[in-house]
Amino acid sequence: GEEVAQTPKHLVRGEGQKAKLYCAPIKGHSYVFWYQQVLKNEFKFLISFQNENVFDETGMPKERFSAKCLPNSPCSLEIQATKLEDSAVYFCASSLQGSNYGYTFGSGTRLTVV
Amino acid sequence: AQRVTQPEKLLSVFKGAPVELKCNYSYSGSPELFWYVQYSRQRLQLLLRHISRESIKGFTADLNKGETSFHLKKPFAQEEDSAMYYCALMNTGFQKLVFGTGTRLLVSP
Repeated sequence: GEEVAQTPKHLVRGEGQKAKLYCAPIKGHSYVFWYQQVLKNEFKFLISFQNENVFDETGMPKERFSAKCLPNSPCSLEIQATKLEDSAVYFCASSLQGSNYGYTFGSGTRLTVV
Repeated sequence: AQRVTQPEKLLSVFKGAPVELKCNYSYSGSPELFWYVQYSRQRLQLLLRHISRESIKGFTADLNKGETSFHLKKPFAQEEDSAMYYCALMNTGFQKLVFGTGTRLLVSP
C-alpha cells in the first residue's frame, strides 16, 4: 500500500513491562526509520534499516531497546522493562533507496508508561 | 555536525497576513532540505523539498546557502494552515533526517 502502517495506535504499559511496536513500510521502500517524539515535540532518531539490515543505530538506547526488520514481516521496535521516560509517540517512516524525496511517515504509536 | 534550528516555538498571525517560518541549518556537505507539517492528531506529512522548487498549498521555501537558511513563506495565511511545521535536513550518507524543534503556526480569524 501507499501508507506506512503502524500498530497499535495506543499502548499503555506498567513500568518494567515490555512494549512492542510494529511498522509495515510502503512496499518497495528499502529504508525504514524509527523516531521518538517526546513532549517537547523534538524528533529523536533511534534506528534505521536498509532492507533487513541495521543501517544506523546511533540513536538507540541499547540496554533496553531493540528493533528488527525481517523479510515478509512488519518491522518491530521492542522496549524491555519500560521506564516512565519512554512515554512518547514512536514514529516509523520509510523511503526509497537513495531518495531525495524525504520520508513517508506512519501515524505513530503513542506509548504511555504508568 | 548537522543541526537544524527553528528559533520560533510559536508564530501567531491573523488570517490573510504573510507568514515566514524561519529555519537555519549547519551541514558540511551539500544540504537536502525539507519542510514537514503535522496537523492536529495527524501524521507528519512532507510539505516541500528544496530540490523541487515547488509551491504547495501556497507555501514556498528558498534555499539560501550564504545564510544557511531555508525559510518557509506564504503570502496570505489561512486558518487551515494552523499546524506544527518542522524543517529537516537529510544526511545523505546515512539517509537520515535531522529535524528542527518545530514551530507552531496559529492562524486566527
